[in-house]
Amino acid sequence: DAKTTQPTSMDCAEGRAANLPCNHSTISGNEYVYWYRQIHSQGPQYIIHGLKNNETNEMASLIITEDRKSSTLILPHATLRDTAVYYCIVRAKIQGAQKLVFGQGTRLTINP
Amino acid sequence: NAGVTQTPKFRILKIGQSMTLQCAQDMNHNYMYWYRQDPGMGLKLIYYSVGAGITDKGEVPNGYNVSRSTTEDFPLRLELAAPSQTSVYFCASSYPAGDNEQFFGPGTRLTVL
Repeated sequence: DAKTTQPTSMDCAEGRAANLPCNHSTISGNEYVYWYRQIHSQGPQYIIHGLKNNETNEMASLIITEDRKSSTLILPHATLRDTAVYYCIVRAKIQGAQKLVFGQGTRLTINP
Repeated sequence: NAGVTQTPKFRILKIGQSMTLQCAQDMNHNYMYWYRQDPGMGLKLIYYSVGAGITDKGEVPNGYNVSRSTTEDFPLRLELAAPSQTSVYFCASSYPAGDNEQFFGPGTRLTVL
């Protein structure tokens, strides 16, 4: 699996868009970018994933660069409840058990 | 649906004791996983299962055992607990289709003294 690099921490004002970057310069053609988050002491929660096109769901948007070497998770209107650690994971979307590899992620703090 | 449930929430063990961490899911997911998370770190995969009767090692399996006799349950057994096993343990499940996202339980916080 390709390695990912994320900033250790970020701050964002409540109501503003939070943009979380992730570098994955060694990503392979069949590997997807997955995002999970972990709110304090809880189990991780799936947010979104994508291959090469931008993706959007009710939680967030995912922007993947054309060369696929980096991506950005966007929380459009951050709330205090979005304070969490965000994990960017690169993984082939095979039919089978997904052995996710979690790095240290980005600790996002939403400030009032 | 209750989703993924784990018991107990907290446990303190003495060195050398044994215990079983329980995990159950009611989503009829084929795949189940056990992770551990040490303070300030990401999750590491201990064991996983692709179906009843089938289990396999993850990244950090030493000191643990698992079994999968039913689709719903995936217990994790600690034999001869050691201080290095002090951690938060998360169970997860997923369905082998669609987004294949993993659903996580609330975790079990284990301290070995």
